[in-house]
Amino acid sequence: DVKVTQSSRYLVKRTGEKVFLECVQDMDHENMFWYRQDPGLGLRLIYFSYDVKMKEKGDIPEGYSVSREKKERFSLILESASTNQTSMYLCASRVAGEYNEQFFGPGTRLTVL
Amino acid sequence: GQNIDQPTEMTATEGAIVQINCTYQTSGFNGLFWYQQHAGEAPTFLSYNVLDGLEEKGRFSSFLSRSKGYSYLLLKELQMKDSASYLCAVMDSNYQLIWGAGTKLIIKP
Repeated sequence: DVKVTQSSRYLVKRTGEKVFLECVQDMDHENMFWYRQDPGLGLRLIYFSYDVKMKEKGDIPEGYSVSREKKERFSLILESASTNQTSMYLCASRVAGEYNEQFFGPGTRLTVL
Repeated sequence: GQNIDQPTEMTATEGAIVQINCTYQTSGFNGLFWYQQHAGEAPTFLSYNVLDGLEEKGRFSSFLSRSKGYSYLLLKELQMKDSASYLCAVMDSNYQLIWGAGTKLIIKP
C-alpha cells in the first residue's frame, strides 16, 4: 500500500514563527503536492514538485516555500506564520503523469494564534 | 473563471441509492476525478473519467458528459461507512486539478 505520512496531525504556532511541515512517501513517486483545505472551499494547490530539487508554484504560493532535497520528502515552510494560514494542510504524491491518481497524507491541522 | 459546483450536503438512507452531481466550467478539460474523504482522514481516489459515459466499479459508478460539463457519482446499496465527503476535481488544459468544495453525504439507518 502507498503510504504518505505527515509529521504532525495537529500543530499550534504563534504569529511570526517559522513553521515546517514535513511529508514523506514510501512509493518512489516522482510528483508531490501541498494543498490547503478550508471549509466551503475546494483544495487549493500551494506548491508542487515534479521531481527532486524541482518546485513549481501553485495557485496560492504567497507566504509559503518548499524544499525537496530527497525524492521521498517534500517540506512546506511558512516563513512567518500568520493567522490566515490557519488551515488543514494536505500532502499528496503520485507516479509521474497527470492522469494518475494522487495519494494523500492524513493532513496537518495548523492553528496560528 | 474556473468553477466546480457540487451540493454542499446530502442525506440518504442505508440500503438506498444516491447520486452526487458535479458541474464544471473550466479552461479546457483533461479528465474528471472523484475522491472520497472521511472526516479527519485523507482523500482517497474513487474514479477517473475522460470519455463520455458511465464507468462502474462495484457499488460506485461515475458518469461524464463533456458537452454538458457534468458528472455524477452514483452510490448503490448505501452503507453507513459511505458517510463521507465526496470531492470532484477537473483537470484543466494546463493539467492542473481544479477542486470542488465537496459534498458531505450523511447516511441514516
